[in-house]
Amino acid sequence: AQSVTQPDIHITVSEGASLELRCNYSYGATPYLFWYVQSPGQGLQLLLKYFSGDTLVQGIKGFEAEFKRSQSSFNLRKPSVHWSDAAEYFCAVASDFSGGYNKLIFGAGTRLAVHP
Amino acid sequence: SAVISQKPSRDICQRGTSLTIQCQVDSQVTMMFWYRQQPGQSLTLIATANQGSEATYESGFVIDKFPISRPNLTFSTLTVSNMSPEDSSIYLCSVEDRGTLDTQYFGPGTRLTVL
Repeated sequence: AQSVTQPDIHITVSEGASLELRCNYSYGATPYLFWYVQSPGQGLQLLLKYFSGDTLVQGIKGFEAEFKRSQSSFNLRKPSVHWSDAAEYFCAVASDFSGGYNKLIFGAGTRLAVHP
Repeated sequence: SAVISQKPSRDICQRGTSLTIQCQVDSQVTMMFWYRQQPGQSLTLIATANQGSEATYESGFVIDKFPISRPNLTFSTLTVSNMSPEDSSIYLCSVEDRGTLDTQYFGPGTRLTVL
């Protein structure tokens, strides 16, 4: 069965520091992968997605992620974190196309705190 | 991307009552999804709503508890029936926008507290 693992429940970084959030997936075929961000009291906003092609994908707000098939990973990175990046980040994999639509499987999420 | 709104944004309800949550999209979409996010947890898919057919429920969710309507291509409702405190969660709807390669976009969520 498809699954997504986010090993880090909480991460704290200083403002201006670099960031890497880890995501590992389990999926038999080439996965569709997503990163979403949820700010406090808000819904989910799509940061970026990977379907195929270039394994380094650029997203909004200065985020990027790299797909590594050999490691079954899709880690999210940002070179310099801003205080407004404090939020919960969810990695997701799309599965089950049998019904003609994607079914998203979410990881447990990583809560990011940013120190001034 | 599609713009999605949900009503109500939050509510506090008494045990045993029901609440209907509305999800409105600014464009026609084929698939709409309902998720539950329990406190401090990740998102779990409740059901998928395709216009003109019955919703498809995930394991652990049943129609009697979470009836869903999908009367047209821009609107859906989820009802949480006979509520208990365990139903306290954020309920989110999402839509799949085929115009942007099978990507789901989420509404702002409805925060439900059951006393």
